Amino acid sequence: EVQVVESGGGLVQPGGSLSLSCVASGFTFSDHYIDWVRQAPGKGLEWVGRARNKANRYTTEYAASVKGRFTISREDSKNSVYLHMNSLKTEDTAVYYCTRLWTSPKDFDYWGQGTLVTVSS
Amino acid sequence: QAGLTQPPSVSKDLRQTATLTCTGNSNNVGKQGAAWLQQHQGHPPKLLSYRNNNRPSGISERFSASRSGATASLTITGLQPEDEADYYCSTWDDSLDAVVIGGGTKLTVL
Repeated sequence: EVQVVESGGGLVQPGGSLSLSCVASGFTFSDHYIDWVRQAPGKGLEWVGRARNKANRYTTEYAASVKGRFTISREDSKNSVYLHMNSLKTEDTAVYYCTRLWTSPKDFDYWGQGTLVTVSS
Repeated sequence: QAGLTQPPSVSKDLRQTATLTCTGNSNNVGKQGAAWLQQHQGHPPKLLSYRNNNRPSGISERFSASRSGATASLTITGLQPEDEADYYCSTWDDSLDAVVIGGGTKLTVL
C-alpha cells in the first residue's frame, strides 16, 4: 500500500525558517517524482515545487512565489523528500501536502494528509 | 503565474449530470490535457483522472474526462450526495516550467 506522510509543520515567525519532511512507502521511491502542494486556509491548491528522480538527475523546479526562498531535496536511501523554507511570510501559511507523481503521465496520484505551517508573530 | 480557469461553483440536482470545465492555453491543457482531483472538506485531494483521461484504479465510471482544444472537462453522471466536493484540474505548463492548478469548482448536489 502506497503511503505518504508529512511532518514538521508548526508555528514560525515571519522571516523565520522551517523544514518539512515527507516519508513514503509501498513503492519504489527512486522511480518517482515527488511534489509539494500547499493550500492556504479556505483557499485552493497551489503547487510549490518538484523533486525529480535519479534518472532525471534529481533536478528541482519551484513556483515563482517561493523560488529563492524554498529548497527541495530528496534522500532516496530514506524514501524521503524535504522542503526547506526560509524567509517565511504570512502568506506562506498553509497546509503543505507531499504528493507522489505517477511515472507517465506525471500526475499527482497519492497524497499525504498534509502538515500545517502557520507563519505569524 | 498564470493558472487554469475553472468556474467557482456548479449546482446540480441529485442523479443528474454535471460537467465541470477547465480552460488553459496551448502551453498547458492544449498540449497535454489536464488531470482532475476531488477534495472533500478537511481531506487531502484524490486523483479522479489522469491527464490522458484514464481513471485510476477504484475510481467510479461515473467520472469521465475529456478535452477539446485548450479546455478540459470532467463529467459526473448520476450525481450522488458524496460527489459534493471541490474539484481541481492540474497539468504541466511548458512555458512556465511549472505545474498549474485551476482555482477549483465547488460542486453542490441539490
